[in-house]
Amino acid sequence: QVQLVESGGGLVKPGGSLRLSCAASGFIFSDDYMSWIRQAPGKGLEWVSYINSRLGIIDYADSVKGRFTISMDSAHNSMYLQMNTLRAEDTAMYYCARDNDGAAAGNWGQGTLVTVSA
Amino acid sequence: DVVLTQSPLSLPVTLGQPASISCRSSQSLVYSDGNTYLNWFQQRPGQSPRRLIYKVSRRDSGVPDRFSGSGSGTDFTLKISRVEAEDVGVYYCAQGTLWPWTFGQGTKVEIK
Repeated sequence: QVQLVESGGGLVKPGGSLRLSCAASGFIFSDDYMSWIRQAPGKGLEWVSYINSRLGIIDYADSVKGRFTISMDSAHNSMYLQMNTLRAEDTAMYYCARDNDGAAAGNWGQGTLVTVSA
Repeated sequence: DVVLTQSPLSLPVTLGQPASISCRSSQSLVYSDGNTYLNWFQQRPGQSPRRLIYKVSRRDSGVPDRFSGSGSGTDFTLKISRVEAEDVGVYYCAQGTLWPWTFGQGTKVEIK
């Protein structure tokens, strides 16, 4: 059974950094596309970044490019999102998601909340 | 970026009645491999999103058959044949054809 568990969220000051983790189980981690998707409080969904480790594919939304870095550690079945130079507008629930059946975000975690505030 | 426009944004429905949500794309969502990567997600209150439909019309495992997806090119529709109480929530279309992948604004389904 596929399981995704995010952690690492919290309260951080503007300009600060945070590293989110997504622990995965129940599938071959390195074969699949994985994504980070966020949702600001009371708002809609925004794709932040995706990665396919086996194919060496990574991309970012323009809103986070140059500040966020996505990575995977297959040995630990974990995906990460290093977030630097955080802004108030980065405040959101951050979800990790896995592609399946050849389409995006078939499985989701429960999310981890990031709050950027002075 | 591809803009997905959903309508309506709010959809009050009577239990047992059908419901339909439209999603229009600013560009064709047909990918070079011939597939159309248009998905539908359901987000119940207080829960993570859940994918219901992928590649326009394929239902995910465990999704009731009262949910169906259709469309092509730039126009897509999610239909619920008979709304049940557990269907309350926000529904999003999303495209995975062109990066950055994008979501529609969401349609809030509620019971009248």
